[in-house]
Amino acid sequence: NAGVTQTPKFRVLKTGQSMTLLCAQDMNHEYMYWYRQDPGMGLRLIHYSVGEGTTAKGEVPDGYNVSRLKKQNFLLGLESAAPSQTSVYFCASSYTSGADTQYFGPGTRLTVL
Amino acid sequence: EDQVTQSPEALRLQEGESSSLNCSYTVSGLRGLFWYRQDPGKGPEFLFTLYSAGEEKEKERLKATLTKKESFLHITAPKPEDSATYLCAVQEYGGSQGNLIFGKGTKLSVKP
Repeated sequence: NAGVTQTPKFRVLKTGQSMTLLCAQDMNHEYMYWYRQDPGMGLRLIHYSVGEGTTAKGEVPDGYNVSRLKKQNFLLGLESAAPSQTSVYFCASSYTSGADTQYFGPGTRLTVL
Repeated sequence: EDQVTQSPEALRLQEGESSSLNCSYTVSGLRGLFWYRQDPGKGPEFLFTLYSAGEEKEKERLKATLTKKESFLHITAPKPEDSATYLCAVQEYGGSQGNLIFGKGTKLSVKP
């Protein structure tokens, strides 16, 4: 079991460029989440999915889009990157939403110049 | 106002010096309170879930407790390998599906 994996681990973008972060889980979890972590702030939810083909907005969704075409994968897209999106991005998954444990991936460190 | 507040922000201990980390919360209906450990450059690693006041859970040198307003993570006789940032998160009834509200964490350093 690899658990939750994220690709890539590091990325540097220029303002205005686009990119997609990939999250994969092999635990057959229904729920998947994207968070960002910034210095001095707690993890904040960007978008989440309650099952294949569904997505919903979290606390800080602006500037991001997501897709869940397959149950095991959850993609986070930045269409036009901005310096404010410099952050560490974490994907997580859980079996259900009812106070179920969320398991996190190793993170992607993104820098936007 | 933050819904989840962790204190202290940083804690330095000598090896073997027991202490506690605090997580206070103000959500209206608590569905679950979670403790995670995060090492530098890595993702949060799950430690405990607590569901109701009075509940306690233990794992090695760590013990988590819960009241109606706060949770404590007690560390007994810590070792240098316990050095990490400890995150507290809550899930409330009526919130977004599965949404966890995180505190800013307590950075623990244990010196030999």
